[in-house]
Amino acid sequence: DIQMTQSPSSLSASVGETVTITCRASRDIGDYLAWFQQRPGKAPKSLISGSSSLRDGVPSRFAGSGYGTDFTLTITSVQPEDFATYYCQQYNAYPITFGQGTRLDI
Amino acid sequence: EVQVMESGGGLVKPGGSLRLSCVTSGLTMSDYWMHWVRQAPGKGPEFVSHITSYGSTSSYADSVNGRFIISRDDAKNTLYLQMNNLAADDSGVYYCQPYGEVVWGQGTTVTVSS
Repeated sequence: DIQMTQSPSSLSASVGETVTITCRASRDIGDYLAWFQQRPGKAPKSLISGSSSLRDGVPSRFAGSGYGTDFTLTITSVQPEDFATYYCQQYNAYPITFGQGTRLDI
Repeated sequence: EVQVMESGGGLVKPGGSLRLSCVTSGLTMSDYWMHWVRQAPGKGPEFVSHITSYGSTSSYADSVNGRFIISRDDAKNTLYLQMNNLAADDSGVYYCQPYGEVVWGQGTTVTVSS
């Protein structure tokens, strides 16, 4: 199985700051990497697929990058509604695997 | 726009069974491999099972192998997960996804409790 190592596990930020979350795959996954956001008690919301393609309706302050084994999610000028938990997901091969999550709070 | 809608969850006693359904839209489901993932309360998502196009091959997480059965009805654009001999550890929200389409439905909640 492909292991996804996500860091940090938690992150504190203020509104307007820029934050970066990283995800490392245990082997090359190309660009088969997605990021999603999850608020407490809610279903996940897809943000980015294909490592860097922003999903429809997702604000441009979210950006993804990376290829192979190392990936990042950057949120530029964090807004109050961005405080949530973020996960990476590889879909290069089954079983689909996920990072452990990064909780972003104030 | 690709969408999925899961249903069939509920409260069941340990050892009981449930059948989950996932209806897809916005895609030709027969062209896609499909999978289920689940998320236990307070945990991250985890893979449960996948099925290839036409149902020729499937795989399961070790934790559900031998108890869960994945199937599909492409004519109905519907994916299923038959869950047998349920245990408390199977509780959580279950989501389906088409492979390569990183979309999320609202999920369906399974609670296994006596």
